[in-house]
Amino acid sequence: SQTIHQWPATLVQPVGSPLSLECTVEGTSNPNLYWYRQAAGRGLQLLFYSVGIGQISSEVPQNLSASRPQDRQFILSSKKLLLSDSGFYLCAWSERDGTEAFFGQGTRLTVV
Amino acid sequence: AQSVTQLGSHVSVSEGALVLLRCNYSSSVPPYLFWYVQYPNQGLQLLLKYTSAATLVKGINGFEAEFKKSETSFHLTKPSAHMRDAAEYFCAVSESGAGSYQLTFGKGTKLSVIP
Repeated sequence: SQTIHQWPATLVQPVGSPLSLECTVEGTSNPNLYWYRQAAGRGLQLLFYSVGIGQISSEVPQNLSASRPQDRQFILSSKKLLLSDSGFYLCAWSERDGTEAFFGQGTRLTVV
Repeated sequence: AQSVTQLGSHVSVSEGALVLLRCNYSSSVPPYLFWYVQYPNQGLQLLLKYTSAATLVKGINGFEAEFKKSETSFHLTKPSAHMRDAAEYFCAVSESGAGSYQLTFGKGTKLSVIP
């Protein structure tokens, strides 16, 4: 069966520090991968999605970037965090022709 | 672009009462529609999905939803609420772009169940 791993679960980082969140998927090949951010009362915002290695589409211009160095690995990064980057970050995957997404357990990021 | 509107950011029901969470969507093509549930500090779990088959969709934990094209709605219901149903619920619609299915989510409805 397919599983998705996302880490760390919680993170407290100072303003201006770098960020790296990692997500890996097991049990499937060539998945679509997604990064979402969830802010209180604002639902889920799609940040990036990827349909293959090295292929990243950005939905919202911001202080973050994403990379897909391997088929089942998706990384969310920032060179310098802002207070507004605080939130709950969710990684997700779907099959190439799938209709639903499967989510990781999320990372609670607090920028102080 | 597709969009989803969830009416009511907070809904409270008594244990054993009917649960009704409202979702309306806009789409220029026949949509795929989903309901997800999120417990505190966890990821989202799929409750049910509509993919152009039966309009009444049954999901996990006793939930069901009915697709009504004329009303552009996909409301979530459960006949009798349990304490364990207290969570946040998200309605979502999918659209196809660049080889991927992208989910567009509503802002969520937090369900409280009163004992």
